[in-house]
Amino acid sequence: GAGVSQSPSNKVTEKGKDVELRCDPISGHTALYWYRQSLGQGLEFLIYFQGNSAPDKSGLPSDRFSAERTGGSVSTLTIQRTQQEDSAVYLCASSFGGAPYEQYFGPGTRLTVT
Amino acid sequence: QQQVKQSPQSLIVQKGGISIINCAYENTAFDYFPWYQQFPGKGPALLIAIRPDVSEKKEGRFTISFNKSAKQFSLHIMDSQPGDSATYFCAARGEGGSNYKLTFGKGTLLTVNP
Repeated sequence: GAGVSQSPSNKVTEKGKDVELRCDPISGHTALYWYRQSLGQGLEFLIYFQGNSAPDKSGLPSDRFSAERTGGSVSTLTIQRTQQEDSAVYLCASSFGGAPYEQYFGPGTRLTVT
Repeated sequence: QQQVKQSPQSLIVQKGGISIINCAYENTAFDYFPWYQQFPGKGPALLIAIRPDVSEKKEGRFTISFNKSAKQFSLHIMDSQPGDSATYFCAARGEGGSNYKLTFGKGTLLTVNP
């Protein structure tokens, strides 16, 4: 079956511009996660959505970052006024629920801020 | 504060050799320890996982050894193959009551030479 898909696969933007990254989770998965993977670093948790519950936004690094999940499915991560330090691979994952279910990762969006 | 420390950063092994990657954690609230394998351009995929009530788990050529008292766990890849060349991440789950949140190590780039 289809896995987690993300778009675009690559995004180059100028400093100060806004960007939107999209995630389509696996059908039927109620939990959705966003992570950031910077060069030489592990994956950094950003945000977690579970069903209709309030999202856990504790990992968002600044108020320039926001995410929403519409209809319990597709999610969009928005970065406003991008900075060079935002350059990273942004990974989305989904699972049947929270713990203890396995998280399935998408291929990521590579964001480069020039 | 880095909650999961992974070493080495990179590892080169000859085909047929044993690859060993180590991780140490600080938070005793962690209750699930997965290892992820990531190929270039792909998202991480769950390889093998262990809970702290067992000291070892083996799946094919992959083994996790877990030392609860030392707060350490390691991945052993027996009979390493060139196709095992990838980046490996250890992770831990269960920090601060957020039992869905994974905390990752920084990754180990494994190269298996033919």
